[in-house]
Amino acid sequence: DAKTTQPPSMDCAEGRAANLPCNHSTISGNEYVYWYRQIHSQGPQYIIHGLKNNETNEMASLIITEDRKSSTLILPHATLRDTAVYYCIVRGSGGYNKLIFGAGTRLAVHP
Amino acid sequence: DAMVIQNPRYQVTQFGKPVTLSCSQTLNHNVMYWYQQKSSQAPKLLFHYYDKDFNNEADTPDNFQSRRPNTSFCFLDIRSPGLGDTAMYLCATGLRGTENEKLFFGSGTQLSVL
Repeated sequence: DAKTTQPPSMDCAEGRAANLPCNHSTISGNEYVYWYRQIHSQGPQYIIHGLKNNETNEMASLIITEDRKSSTLILPHATLRDTAVYYCIVRGSGGYNKLIFGAGTRLAVHP
Repeated sequence: DAMVIQNPRYQVTQFGKPVTLSCSQTLNHNVMYWYQQKSSQAPKLLFHYYDKDFNNEADTPDNFQSRRPNTSFCFLDIRSPGLGDTAMYLCATGLRGTENEKLFFGSGTQLSVL
């Protein structure tokens, strides 16, 4: 599975959009980009995933560049409850493909 | 309603004393995973069960074992815990065979080895 690179930490003001970048320059054609987050003392939570098209759900939007070498997770209106570690993971489809966590980005949302 | 339930939430054991952590699920998923997460680190995959087939990660110590008596339950056994095994242990489930397997995690068991 391709390796990902994320900034170790980011800050965001409450009510503003949080844009979390992820680089995955070695991603291959059949690998998806997944985002999970982990709020303190809880298990990780699935947010969103995508292959090459931009995706949106009730939690977030995922923007994937045309060359697929990077992506951005967007939380449109961050709240204090969005303070968490956000993990960007590249994973193959079908069969068995491990979900391997990298270091992630620690997002702090402040009033 | 909780779908992946881990008990206990906190567990304290003594050095060398065997300990068992449990995980149950109501999702009827065919895969159950165990991750270890040490303080300020990312979760690390230990092993998983796909139905009854056990799959160990290459760097998981022999001290760690697992059992899955039925679809709903999975156990993590640590035969002789060391101080370095103090960590959060996370159970997750997934439905393999779908195009994109999303994992559902429990809240974890925080294990302290004294």
